[in-house]
Amino acid sequence: DIVLTQSPGTLSLSPGERATLSCRASQTVRSSSLALAWYQQKPGQAPRLLIYGASSRATGIPDRFSGSGSGTDFTLTISRLEPEDFAVYYCQQYASSPLTFGGGTKVEI
Amino acid sequence: QVQLQESGPRLVKPSETLSLTCTVSGGSISGYYWNWIRQPPGGGLEWIGYIHYTGSTNYNPSLKSRVTISMETSRNQYSLKLSFVTAADTAVYYCAREGASDIWGQGTMVTVST
Repeated sequence: DIVLTQSPGTLSLSPGERATLSCRASQTVRSSSLALAWYQQKPGQAPRLLIYGASSRATGIPDRFSGSGSGTDFTLTISRLEPEDFAVYYCQQYASSPLTFGGGTKVEI
Repeated sequence: QVQLQESGPRLVKPSETLSLTCTVSGGSISGYYWNWIRQPPGGGLEWIGYIHYTGSTNYNPSLKSRVTISMETSRNQYSLKLSFVTAADTAVYYCAREGASDIWGQGTMVTVST
């Protein structure tokens, strides 16, 4: 199984600041498709897809969200935090079975 | 637009079988992979398995011996059965489309308890 380790566990920031979230894989995520996704989850809601293919924004996602990385190291960057961005963020690899998620990073005010 | 809705019993007794259905509306079930994913209270996300519209399935090895995912194309539905449940199976269960899941159901909380 590919284990995804997210850091930090909690990120305390203010609106307007930049957030940098890390996701490290225990094995190389298949390079042919960079099958790494990022989700945002708010309390009581289902996760929302932000990024797929490591760096492609999903439909309707603002351009302040960006993804980067390859191999085993991936990053989600939120350029300027808006009040609605305070949530938990998960990375996921869908390159190989079983599909796996990271443990999450909570972005708090 | 495509929407997913989970349905099924919210309370299941230990050792019994959890059964949930996901109804796909606003679009066809054909052409995609369809997942079941769960999240225990206060916990992270766990992929249970998926079914392809052709009927092929893939399960998480940690649950494989207890999981069956099936599809009823004519009804635009797919289903999850998880047998011999314990309290550790208490979670919010989500259905979701594709590997990078762009569409999710709202989730349904299933509690395993006597």
